[in-house]
Amino acid sequence: DQQVKQNSPSLSVQEGRISILNCDYTNSMFDYFLWYKKYPAEGPTFLISISSIKDKNEDGRFTVFLNKSAKHLSLHIVPSQPGDSAVYFCAANGMNYGGSQGNLIFGKGTKLSVKP
Amino acid sequence: KAGVTQTPRYLIKTRGQQVTLSCSPISGHRSVSWYQQTPGQGLQFLFEYFSETQRNKGNFPGRFSGRQFSNSRSEMNVSTLELGDSALYLCASSIGPAGNTEAFFGQGTRLTVV
Repeated sequence: DQQVKQNSPSLSVQEGRISILNCDYTNSMFDYFLWYKKYPAEGPTFLISISSIKDKNEDGRFTVFLNKSAKHLSLHIVPSQPGDSAVYFCAANGMNYGGSQGNLIFGKGTKLSVKP
Repeated sequence: KAGVTQTPRYLIKTRGQQVTLSCSPISGHRSVSWYQQTPGQGLQFLFEYFSETQRNKGNFPGRFSGRQFSNSRSEMNVSTLELGDSALYLCASSIGPAGNTEAFFGQGTRLTVV
């Protein structure tokens, strides 16, 4: 059973507009969440993270929102640029889950296409 | 500083053979994790090593094994290869298990089993 779900396999957005990528999780023990971006033939690149003690974290054009009661997080990219086109993975990690921060549970990814 | 290095980048093996993949973490990083990426299953955790000890293991058969050396470099071995083992194998390094820090990924090894 998937513990981290990204229900939209793909998303298409116009350049300059906002991209919103969603992620749901089922395990309430997760306490740290990360977003990774992946281009073809490359490994995932860390983008932004959020601890469960926060509900928002912002880094430039990227903002992650966490709603613990809904077990939901989202990544906002504003404004979207064509270079943002990639697959975005949501991942969760729990210090009390498996006892190790090296064990990331990934969603299956959302392919974002930003059109000029 | 240099990133995570995985070798080889591409590999073609025959069913029944065994394969060893290598990962050199970022200098100073002591934790190395391995993941398998396939189109249908996404990124799945294989195992994590810290200070030469396996700390965590995913839900993979015993044909998948690994180890970590004193210099933090890690190897992953798959024996008796099956067609379904064809995947991108990714290695990630992080400073260590103390605290929540991000993992940095290598470019991966693309394994094709024929």
